[in-house]
Formats: sequence, C-alpha cells, structure tokens
Amino acid sequence: AQSVTQLDSQVPVFEEAPVELRCNYSSSVSVYLFWYVQYPNQGLQLLLKYLSGSTLVESINGFEAEFNKSQTSFHLRKPSVHISDTAEYFCAVSEVRSGSRLTFGEGTQLTVNP
Amino acid sequence: DGGITQSPKYLFRKEGQNVTLSCEQNLNHDAMYWYRQDPGQGLRLIYYSQIVNDFQKGDIAEGYSVSREKKESFPLTVTSAQKNPTAFYLCASSFQGTYTQYFGPGTRLTVL
Repeated sequence: AQSVTQLDSQVPVFEEAPVELRCNYSSSVSVYLFWYVQYPNQGLQLLLKYLSGSTLVESINGFEAEFNKSQTSFHLRKPSVHISDTAEYFCAVSEVRSGSRLTFGEGTQLTVNP
Repeated sequence: DGGITQSPKYLFRKEGQNVTLSCEQNLNHDAMYWYRQDPGQGLRLIYYSQIVNDFQKGDIAEGYSVSREKKESFPLTVTSAQKNPTAFYLCASSFQGTYTQYFGPGTRLTVL
C-alpha cells in the first residue's frame, strides 16, 4: 500500500526567503505525485503534479517540485516566498492503475512572516 | 461557472442525529470522493464512486453512508454510529483515469 510522509508539520520563514517543504512516499509500483495548497477554511487547490516526463514540474506562482525516484521524494521549493504563500500544503500520491485514488500526507503549515 | 459546490458551509447537529452533507459538481466528472480532515492528520478517504450507482469504502467508512443516483451528486450521510463526527468534510471529483482531483470548499460539521 502507498503512503506519504511530510517531514515537517510547520515551517516558518521570513518574506523573500527560500523555502523547501519535504515529501517522501512509499510504494511498490509506479506513482503519480501531487502538491495541493489549502487556505484557511477552504478546499484544496492543485498546485502542481508529476505524471510522467520531466522530473521537474513548476506551478504558475513560482513553486517547483522535483520527482526523485531513487530517494522516493517529491520536495516542494520556492526561491522567494511572499506573505500570500502562507497556507497548508499537502503532498499526495496515487499508484498508477489504482483508479485515481489519492493518499495524502499530514500536511505542512507554511507561515511567511514579514 | 463550472465547479464543485458543498452545502452547507457550517453544520451543527446534536448527538444521536443523522445529518446529510451535499456535494454537487457540474464538471461532468465521472468519479467523486469524500474526505474527512482533522487537524494534523491530513485528509482521509471515507467513500468514493467511479460511476453512477456504484461506490466503494475508503479507509474510514464506518459510521458513514453515501449514494450516487446521479452523476453530478454524491451526498454523504453522517450517522449516529460515527463516534467522533466533528471535522471538516471535503468533496472532490475527477475524470475517470486522470488522477487529478478537484475539491469543493468543504463543510465544517460540529456535534454539540
């Protein structure tokens, strides 16, 4: 069975600093990987995804994540964060041919301070 | 506008009462899902449905029930058998086989 571990429950950073949110997964088969973002009292929004092809994927607001098969990781990075990036971030995995069922990590609360 | 709607946004219920949460989508998605979110535990899958009139249990189905009579609707009933129902409930949908799920705004259920 697949599983996801987000290594940090809380990450505080200052505005304009770089940030990395760590995600490791476990699966015996090929996987698809996702990062979702959740603002307070809202649903989740898809930030970026890896399905195939280039292992480096980017979002429209400056985040990027790299699929590392040997280390079973899919860390999320941004070179310079803004106050508006404050939110909870969830890593998720789906095993190929699983029927699109997702398993989520426990989430990382990113807080950007001025 | 296309999207997923959940109602109500906030819901209060007394212990021992059943309550039904609504989820509707107009994205023409085949699959729909219900998740429960508790602080520090991420999202856990309650039930999912890949086609009309069919659904499967997720990881925490006990105390919940669903129906899928129409493609666009997937209501969740929280029964009195659910021991700790206070949580944030999220509905999602996707095209079959695409693996990308889209989420509604959620319903916060509080048991008094």
